[in-house]
Amino acid sequence: AQKVTQAQTEISVVEKEDVTLDCVYETRDTTYYLFWYKQPPSGELVFLIRRNSFDEQNEISGRYSWNFQKSTSSFNFTITASQVVDSAVYFCALSPAGGTSYGKLTFGQGTILTVHP
Amino acid sequence: KAGVTQTPRYLIKTRGQQVTLSCSPISGHRSVSWYQQTPGQGLQFLFEYFSETQRNKGNFPGRFSGRQFSNSRSEMNVSTLELGDSALYLCASSPAGQGNNEQFFGPGTRLTVL
Repeated sequence: AQKVTQAQTEISVVEKEDVTLDCVYETRDTTYYLFWYKQPPSGELVFLIRRNSFDEQNEISGRYSWNFQKSTSSFNFTITASQVVDSAVYFCALSPAGGTSYGKLTFGQGTILTVHP
Repeated sequence: KAGVTQTPRYLIKTRGQQVTLSCSPISGHRSVSWYQQTPGQGLQFLFEYFSETQRNKGNFPGRFSGRQFSNSRSEMNVSTLELGDSALYLCASSPAGQGNNEQFFGPGTRLTVL
């Protein structure tokens, strides 16, 4: 069975603060993929990043960065110098690489991020 | 390239009725997945279709069903609606539904059951 845990239900910060969203996962698969999605108030889930289980290299994209640590089964997401437009619900998700689990993402419960001006 | 579209965007039904939701994937995508999002249960996988065949199914009762057409458009149906079926229903498309495929989500259909 696969499980994704986002322990932070809600985070509130002031603009320009850095914020880290935590994600811990459980899986028995040796090869898998991890994702982060953003859900703004409009409701549509927006893809942010995908990592595979063999690539533990951290990644930076503008103000976003991701820290993947297989040893602790964590895939954390950091927003540097947060902005009001970053306010949204953020989801971490997991997908096995093979087998018959087609088209299925296992999501965490989401973290509501509110950035105040 | 047009994104994933879902119709209708909002729907109000009463208990016992049935409902059909529609999803048009991104052109060229053959896999369509459906998810139910509720405040209590979060995002839960309903099923996935590829080339008109259901390949994967989540833990939902048989009242929830779906189908996919030859043009990859998909519909999901919920029969004998219950109050607990009130949710945001999201569909997502990907090229082939493989684990490494990024899924592109539509805006969702918000279903309210009275």
